[in-house]
Amino acid sequence: KQEVTQIPAALSVPEGENLVLNCSFTDSAIYNLQWFRQDPGKGLTSLLLIQSSQREQTSGRLNASLDKSSGRSTLYIAASQPGDSATYLCAVRLGTVNAGNMLTFGGGTRLMVKP
Amino acid sequence: DAGVIQSPRHEVTEMGQEVTLRCKPISGHNSLFWYRQTMMRGLELLIYFNNNVPIDDSGMPEDRFSAKMPNASFSTLKIQPSEPRDSAVYFCASSLMWGQDQYFGPGTRLLVL
Repeated sequence: KQEVTQIPAALSVPEGENLVLNCSFTDSAIYNLQWFRQDPGKGLTSLLLIQSSQREQTSGRLNASLDKSSGRSTLYIAASQPGDSATYLCAVRLGTVNAGNMLTFGGGTRLMVKP
Repeated sequence: DAGVIQSPRHEVTEMGQEVTLRCKPISGHNSLFWYRQTMMRGLELLIYFNNNVPIDDSGMPEDRFSAKMPNASFSTLKIQPSEPRDSAVYFCASSLMWGQDQYFGPGTRLLVL
């Protein structure tokens, strides 16, 4: 059974700092990996999706990397801003037919960026 | 597009009552997912549909939970009878096709007293 772990569970940084969020998964036979953002009381917003054949994806100040063989992904946030404060969730989709289109989520990292 | 629409946004009910949560996926999306989020267990997939057909319901906690998708634009998740431990935020998500981005609704916050 796929297990997804995110470290740290919570992170507080001053504005302007660059930071890295970590995600690890136990089954490397993934189809793709997705990073989401969740604001308090709200749904999830997709940030980046990395296919298993890719090493990284970039969107603005966000860069996500994937090392499938070691079962790890990182989300790098450059020049953090108070508006980046949210919970960041990592989710993996297995590559087998039986896994269908199911995502397995990590527990999330709760980020606070202080002005 | 308005995105994934869920109703109600909040529901407070008493133990034993029937609860029905509703979801309208993004038009044209052929996969629909129901998730439950709690502090203790995080985000868990309950069931997902592809082209209105339930594909995997192994995440449905017990027989008190049932889900239907009578057509491509509507799905329901029903809990009967509800229990306090069902209190959670229930999310619906849809995707255009297999393996693509999932778009989440705002969720229904359920409290069972």
